[in-house]
Amino acid sequence: SQKIEQNSEALNIQEGKTATLTCNYTNYSPAYLQWYRQDPGRGPVFLLLIRENEKEKRKERLKVTFDTTLKQSLFHITASQPADSATYLCALAKGYGGSQGNLIFGKGTKLSVKP
Amino acid sequence: NAGVMQNPRHLVRRRGQEARLRCSPMKGHSHVYWYRQLPEEGLKFMVYLQKENIIDESGMPKERFSAEFPKEGPSILRIQQVVRGDSAAYFCASSPPVGGPGEQYFGPGTRLTVT
Repeated sequence: SQKIEQNSEALNIQEGKTATLTCNYTNYSPAYLQWYRQDPGRGPVFLLLIRENEKEKRKERLKVTFDTTLKQSLFHITASQPADSATYLCALAKGYGGSQGNLIFGKGTKLSVKP
Repeated sequence: NAGVMQNPRHLVRRRGQEARLRCSPMKGHSHVYWYRQLPEEGLKFMVYLQKENIIDESGMPKERFSAEFPKEGPSILRIQQVVRGDSAAYFCASSPPVGGPGEQYFGPGTRLTVT
């Protein structure tokens, strides 16, 4: 079965630096991979989606890369701020329709940005 | 446009009682997913429903758990004869009809505590 590993349970960085989070998966290559943010006591919030035929996606200070050869996605937050402190979840799906769209989540990486 | 709504936010049940968790998807969304998050664990898929249909329940325990999404009203996740191991946060997510980009929109969750 598909497994996802986010290789850091916690990441501490200084404000203004770039945070880089890693997501590795086994087995099949997903149709797409997503990143979510989760704050304590709240539901995950969708951030970015990247498709299997895309190498990179950007949204404001966020950047996601997807390497299907390495079976890895990297999630970058540039010019990090204390408000970026949260748990970031990687999720993937086999496809777009029906049960193929069910998401498999990693355990998350807890990011702390110190002022 | 209201987001995904879940109620109650917190639910306390004694062992052996029944728990009913409700989820109203975002307007225009016809797909509902339920996930469970245990302490220190990632989100685990439980069941995927469309109106009046269970599409995929491969993540749902075979006994005591059931889900429905009636033609009218919210989706319901029902846990009969709860045990301490059922204590977790239960999240509902919704998505647009098939063919959409794939992101899911999560509710705030219901935190179930079994005493």
